Amino acid sequence: GAVVSQHPSRVICKSGTSVKIECRSLDFQATTMFWYRQFPKKSLMLMATSNEGSKATYEQGVEKDKFLINHASLTLSTLTVTSAHPEDSSFYICSATEVGTNNQPQHFGDGTRLSIL
Amino acid sequence: KQEVTQIPAALSVPEGENLVLNCSFTDSAIYNLQWFRQDPGKGLTSLLLIQSSQREQTSGRLNASLDKSSGRSTLYIAASQPGDSATYLCAACNQAGTALIFGKGTTLSVSS
Repeated sequence: GAVVSQHPSRVICKSGTSVKIECRSLDFQATTMFWYRQFPKKSLMLMATSNEGSKATYEQGVEKDKFLINHASLTLSTLTVTSAHPEDSSFYICSATEVGTNNQPQHFGDGTRLSIL
Repeated sequence: KQEVTQIPAALSVPEGENLVLNCSFTDSAIYNLQWFRQDPGKGLTSLLLIQSSQREQTSGRLNASLDKSSGRSTLYIAASQPGDSATYLCAACNQAGTALIFGKGTTLSVSS
């Protein structure tokens, strides 16, 4: 149980393209979804936390106009990288926590490898 | 600000060895401490979660300990197998339970 599906798994786009990444909880309702970014040989860095029906909370240094997050339902959150540039190339991972679990544990998706040319 | 450090960054061992991965954190005010496994190009698989009031957790050949006062956790892997080859990440959860702070991971390679 507690499966999180992330789509697409890999994206290669030209600079200036906007890219949308979906994160779905397949067999549970997710109160909260988290978006992380991971650079090669670096740790996962939390970008933002989203709760269903409310605005996402962004970590310091993360541009909310650059990384648009929509958490429209209890099973779906989307991250849109707007006007992506090569420096946005990274591995993006989402996680979700079940309703009523006080945000523990987080269930992770398989990640999306974004490459901007 | 919480900082999580993992030592060593990489480790290579022959099959069958017992090994210990180390994790240290600077702020002892944590909700829990978690260990994850990450295979190349993949997401994270949760291995063990130790609540702040606990000292250790075990799952199969894995045992994780937590010493909050010293800001340390260890992951012990018994009788290592080639299938254990992966990157192991530890993460400290803040007291509010709202954020995981990750270390950079230890990349383990087990040769047959």
